[in-house]
Amino acid sequence: QVQLQESGPGLVKPSQTLSLTCTVSGGSISSGGYYWTWIRQLPGKGLEWIGYIYYSGSTSYNPSLKSRVTISIATSKNQFSLKLSSVTAADTAVYYCARSWNLRWYFDLWGRGTLVSVSS
Amino acid sequence: QSALTQPPSASGSPGQSVAISCTGTSSDVGGYNYVSWYQQHPGKAPKLMIYEVSKRPSGVPDRFSGSKSGNTASLTVSGLQAEDEADYYCSSYAGSNLVVFGGGTKLTVL
Repeated sequence: QVQLQESGPGLVKPSQTLSLTCTVSGGSISSGGYYWTWIRQLPGKGLEWIGYIYYSGSTSYNPSLKSRVTISIATSKNQFSLKLSSVTAADTAVYYCARSWNLRWYFDLWGRGTLVSVSS
Repeated sequence: QSALTQPPSASGSPGQSVAISCTGTSSDVGGYNYVSWYQQHPGKAPKLMIYEVSKRPSGVPDRFSGSKSGNTASLTVSGLQAEDEADYYCSSYAGSNLVVFGGGTKLTVL
């Protein structure tokens, strides 16, 4: 079955760029209809939708983060990635990659999540 | 986009029913039938429990049900079991290719 796995540094310095990758296994990231998504969970708080990318490269971002976020896709590697620039301590969170079907706005498959701390 | 409003906590005894509300606006919950609910146990990823207001994914017990009235959606858990103790989050499409989440409700089985 399809699985998602996040990877990347667990510690990032303030003002630097957070970079994470999600590897899709058990299926093709180029399968039409799926929107590959990043969601984060701030410590002790709720979930925040960051944005998505379609296999064609089409993206949509949360306006609150849009100026700092880039989501890209590498279909040959079956991976998609998140870059968040100019990070501060407020960006410390568990970052999840997830899958959504056909713009029906629910997330049926999630990675395990990875904690990224922003600290000097 | 403001987060959807959920009560911080809810509780019930085994076998009882409990409802968790999720209040938004006409621009999100009230405007679209794209409300979903997620269950999250400590240290685990969220799990989809309800999508499109009231649909259950395969494998989710029928003790879990969803509904919506106006700008408020609800998740009802019937026949509470110990393993239902978890955090529950709602989410909704908010137009313009955006999704908003609720702040989460901690469900305690007494």
